[in-house]
This record gives sequence, C-alpha cells and structure tokens, in this order.
Amino acid sequence: EIVLTQSPGTLSLSPGERATLSCRASQSVSSTYLAWYQQKPGQTPRLLIYGASSRATGIPDRFSGSGSGADFTLTISRLEPEDFAVYYCQQFRSSPYTFGQGTKLQIK
Amino acid sequence: QVQLVQSGAEVKKPGASVKVSCKASGYTFTGYYIHWVRQAPGQGLEWMGWINPNSGGTNYAQKFQGGVTMTRDTSISTAYMELSRLTSDDTAVYYCARDGHPGHGGYDYWGQGTLVTVSS
Repeated sequence: EIVLTQSPGTLSLSPGERATLSCRASQSVSSTYLAWYQQKPGQTPRLLIYGASSRATGIPDRFSGSGSGADFTLTISRLEPEDFAVYYCQQFRSSPYTFGQGTKLQIK
Repeated sequence: QVQLVQSGAEVKKPGASVKVSCKASGYTFTGYYIHWVRQAPGQGLEWMGWINPNSGGTNYAQKFQGGVTMTRDTSISTAYMELSRLTSDDTAVYYCARDGHPGHGGYDYWGQGTLVTVSS
C-alpha cells in the first residue's frame, strides 16, 4: 500500500500570502496519478488538480500542482479568504487508492 | 448537469448491514467508474473501492474485502455500496464519486454523502 504523507499538518497564513503544501509518497506514484482536493467544513471534497498538474474544470489559476515520482506540491499563489480549508492528496498509481491525512490551511 | 444523489442517513445496530445508493444523472452512467470513499467524524478520507458500471467489475480495498459489496443497476443509473457486519468504527459519511479523468484518476463529481451511524 502506498502511504501518502502530507506536510505540514496545519498551515497558518494570511490572505494574499503564498501557500505551499507537500505530499510525499512511500514509493513512486508517477505524475500521472496524483490528485488534490479541497474540503471545507460540512462540504464534500472538491477536485482541484489531477495528473499532478492539471487544473480541474473551474479551478482558479492561483492553484497549481507540481511534482513527480514521490514528491508533489500544491501551491496557492495568493490566498483568498475562501481558500482556507483542508487539502488532501490522493494517488491512483496502485490500489488501494490512498489519501494523505490532510493539511489544514487556517487563517493566521 | 452531472449529479450524484445518494440515499438518506441510516442508523444501524452493530452486526447489521447497510446499503447506500448513488443515482447518477446528466451523463452516460456506464462511461465512468464510480468510487466509494468514507469519512469518519472529524477524520480524513478513506478509499473503499470502485465499480465499473459498464461491466460490473469491482476492486475493493483489502481492508474491506469480504465486508463490502458494490453493485449497479444500469437501467436506473444507480450504484450501490453494501457494508456488512457493521461496527462502531464504520460510523462515517459515505460518498460516491465519479472518476472523471480515466487514465489519471480524480473525482470531478461527488454525491452529497450518506451518514451511517452504528450504535447499539
């Protein structure tokens, strides 16, 4: 089973700042099979990025994904108030299609 | 528009089974895999498995092997997830989600979630 470790667990930033979230896999995932989601309290997750770097439909361009192999990054270039949420990565390289434990992005 | 609409909340006793439905609309049901993901209260997301609505083929996480059954009825564009031998650890919100990016993976549409509470 591929274990995804997200860091930091909690990130405290202010609106307008840049956020960098990390997702590290226990083995190579390949850039093809890595997705990122955003989840706000009481809401369903929302797909942000698939294939490590492709933005999903309707996702603002302040969200970007990068990485390959076993190390991936989600970057939010300039935080908006609505971006404060929990973010999860997920791998589709091999079953079970595991999620990271999440990074909580909170307002500083 | 694409929608996945799940059945309502359930309360079950330990040892019982629960069956959650996920009705798809707005797209060709047999064209996209449906995955099931659960989220325990205050916890992260946990992948359970998928079903290919076209063939009925399934793939379950080993953790759920022997306890989960995923099926579908193409005539009504509905997928089902049945979980048996429930324990309190199965208390969670259960989501169905469409893998909208075959070859990459990524859930572009989600059901609204079904809360399953297991309590004696």
